[in-house]
Amino acid sequence: DTEVTQTPKHLVMGMTNKKSLKCEQHMGHRAMYWYKQKAKKPPELMFVYSYEKLSINESVPSRFSPECPNSSLLNLHLHALQPEDSALYLCASSPLNQGFQETQYFGPGTRLLVL
Amino acid sequence: RKEVEQDPGPFNVPEGATVAFNCTYSNSASQSFFWYRQDCRKEPKLLMSVYSSGNEDGRFTAQLNRASQYISLLIRDSKLSDSATYLCVVPSGNTGKLIFGQGTTLQVKP
Repeated sequence: DTEVTQTPKHLVMGMTNKKSLKCEQHMGHRAMYWYKQKAKKPPELMFVYSYEKLSINESVPSRFSPECPNSSLLNLHLHALQPEDSALYLCASSPLNQGFQETQYFGPGTRLLVL
Repeated sequence: RKEVEQDPGPFNVPEGATVAFNCTYSNSASQSFFWYRQDCRKEPKLLMSVYSSGNEDGRFTAQLNRASQYISLLIRDSKLSDSATYLCVVPSGNTGKLIFGQGTTLQVKP
């Protein structure tokens, strides 16, 4: 089962709202990632968690707050977003059997619209 | 020079055609390489991994040329369902960061 699930599929929020995106994998992968993708652009890395610890923050604004409650779950808490934050947010995971040189498996994404 | 560079296309080809995409990378120490396929409004999905000189899976062949630092993807007997964006992806060392090319768009027409 090479499946990463994400909820919700779509999210519309105002600039004063607080919402959370959720990601789950049951493949026993020890690394999980958040990406942001704008239309006609490749995904941009936001955060990397390895063994449930944050290992990379790509200078993401503090209005995005990641959380890794356990090895299967990854959340992204959103607060006071801007319209330019509207994008497809992708979660991914990888095994870490051979370090970070392995394939990452992507979830279907959450399409976020900030009004 | 960009870390990973692809010709964005679009490549418009008829069904049954053979099409090849090239991708160049700047880090000569890179050890693994991936081709992902992304359909419109969907997530990237792994198409092929390349760890040595190349890999073949049915109609798809990926070749690695370390001396020239490029990876190619060859699609034979193109199908309408092959229409998608193809992303060349190279891990950035052992950091967890993937470097994506800009993607190459393929349109296969009847």
